[in-house]
Amino acid sequence: AQTVTQSQPEMSVQEAETVTLSCTYDTSESDYYLFWYKQPPSRQMILVIRQEAYKQQNATENRFSVNFQKAAKSFSLKISDSQLGDAAMYFCAYRSASRDALNFGKGTSLLVTP
Amino acid sequence: KAGVTQTPRYLIKTRGQQVTLSCSPISGHRSVSWYQQTPGQGLQFLFEYFSETQRNKGNFPGRFSGRQFSNSRSEMNVSTLELGDSALYLCASSPPISSYNEQFFGPGTRLTVL
Repeated sequence: AQTVTQSQPEMSVQEAETVTLSCTYDTSESDYYLFWYKQPPSRQMILVIRQEAYKQQNATENRFSVNFQKAAKSFSLKISDSQLGDAAMYFCAYRSASRDALNFGKGTSLLVTP
Repeated sequence: KAGVTQTPRYLIKTRGQQVTLSCSPISGHRSVSWYQQTPGQGLQFLFEYFSETQRNKGNFPGRFSGRQFSNSRSEMNVSTLELGDSALYLCASSPPISSYNEQFFGPGTRLTVL
């Protein structure tokens, strides 16, 4: 079974600064997808960014970017110019190409301070 | 387009009772997945339905069941409730044609078992 590990239960960043959230995963598959989801206090899960394993280019969505290292099975999320609204729980998730179920990490709670 | 809707949003039950939760996917989405979120276990996959058929199932006891209707709406049922079933139950739907099969989540149903 694929496992996803987020080793940072909590992180803190000052407004306008940059923060990187770590994620590693374990799989024997070659074709898969990786996601970062954000869950604010409202509990609504929001997709932040996604990456296909066969694409070497790192995904970018505005202030959010990833560092995807396939050989190392690492998928970190970088948030630039952090904003107060970025404060939330962030989940890294893995999906096999052959099924829809997402395997989630335990999450990282991000605090943004003024 | 309206997002994924889940009803009810909050539910309080007692041990031994049964409960049915409902999920309406985004219009046009035929795949619906269910997840259980608890502080201790995090986000765990329950099952996934596509065109009224269960495609995948997580590692949960038989007390947890689900179904999908011809209009893609899905229900999940938990029988003989236990205290440990207290959780946030999230439903997610996926578009029919997408290389990522990214999942769009509903706001969740908060179940409390007393």
